[in-house]
Amino acid sequence: TQLLEQSPQFLSIQEGENLTVYCNSSSVFSSLQWYRQEPGEGPVLLVTVVTGGEVKKLKRLTFQFGDARKDSSLHITAAQPGDTGLYLCAGGGNEKLTFGTGTRLTIIP
Amino acid sequence: SQTIHQWPATLVQPVGSPLSLECTVEGTSNPNLYWYRQAAGRGLQLLFYSVGIGQISSEVPQNLSASRPQDRQFILSSKKLLLSDSGFYLCAWSPGGLYEQYFGPGTRLTVT
Repeated sequence: TQLLEQSPQFLSIQEGENLTVYCNSSSVFSSLQWYRQEPGEGPVLLVTVVTGGEVKKLKRLTFQFGDARKDSSLHITAAQPGDTGLYLCAGGGNEKLTFGTGTRLTIIP
Repeated sequence: SQTIHQWPATLVQPVGSPLSLECTVEGTSNPNLYWYRQAAGRGLQLLFYSVGIGQISSEVPQNLSASRPQDRQFILSSKKLLLSDSGFYLCAWSPGGLYEQYFGPGTRLTVT
């Protein structure tokens, strides 16, 4: 069974600070996605990474796929209240995704 | 552009009653379709997925079932609901390939 562990589970920081969320597994994935979910809504895709060592930037968000394609990180620079939400990583393979345990991020104005 | 619909948005059902949740996708053909359940503030548990009409793969043995009667329609059902079936149910579609998935708005199910 493939498992994706995210850390931290909860994170509450002040506006303007930087943060990093981690997504770790013992399994190799074909691709790795990051999603953000607001309460009562479905997750929204932020990014897909497919190559080991790949780095993608989306404004203040930086995503990295580990060299061995087993782990990933999400770094947010100068966090804003609009970044608040549940962040989910998901590993792809065999026509389906395995979702991580989630990180609840709260940015305090 | 593609659109995914789920209904109803919320549902309150007594224990032992049947369930039918529907999901439809517009603007694409032959999508992969998925049903997930999510506990409050946590990750998503894959329940069923389908890569074509009539093709259903079950990930977790339980009293739920899924069907895909048409290319862009995916239905989640139960004959008798349990209290443990309460949760947030999400439908998603994928064009395949890189496994990116696009989610519907979800159904909040409360079994009383």
